[in-house]
Amino acid sequence: SQQGEEDPQALSIQEGENATMNCSYKTSINNLQWYRQNSGRGLVHLILIRSNEREKHSGRLRVTLDTSKKSSSLLITASRAADTASYFCATVSNTNAGKSTFGDGTTLTVKP
Amino acid sequence: GAVVSQHPSWVICKSGTSVKIECRSLDFQATTMFWYRQFPKQSLMLMATSNEGSKATYEQGVEKDKFLINHASLTLSTLTVTSAHPEDSSFYICSALLTDTQYFGPGTRLTVL
Repeated sequence: SQQGEEDPQALSIQEGENATMNCSYKTSINNLQWYRQNSGRGLVHLILIRSNEREKHSGRLRVTLDTSKKSSSLLITASRAADTASYFCATVSNTNAGKSTFGDGTTLTVKP
Repeated sequence: GAVVSQHPSWVICKSGTSVKIECRSLDFQATTMFWYRQFPKQSLMLMATSNEGSKATYEQGVEKDKFLINHASLTLSTLTVTSAHPEDSSFYICSALLTDTQYFGPGTRLTVL
């Protein structure tokens, strides 16, 4: 079964609104990362948050991590049409030699 | 920094032929690279971990004789799909590990006729 599960599976919002995506995982992790994928393209690394961190910011992105609930959220503020993409969380555990386990992703559509 | 390239970006081949896909880390060295497969509207499925100078580690259910991986240098890993069949048609993505972050290539679209 997937380590990471994102919800919602799909999200449609208007430009300017905020978008929040959630990720839950099952086992202990070393870090959690969020990636973006435009249709038919590779993945772009957005942000990494370590297990001892609770919140991180990067531009319009805000990521939180709650290790007690084994969950993370990605908030995109003031969304733009160019933010339309699929977003994946990926977890890396201490025992997995750098391997990441990806969730199913959230497809975000931002309408202009 | 941390750029990964893949070549080719797309390939169409006849059933029974072999196809080689290259994954290069352009501005850093990577002892570890990963190969993934992705079906439409689905997540990435890890196929194998490619280790420079040693044999690749394959995930359960992935045929090592079907998907040959070679990691001969610190900047290049290759995936060869041998005797390709239509069911091998997919989007193949590689990544290179730098510290604890994977940097992904742009992917290769393989279509087997």
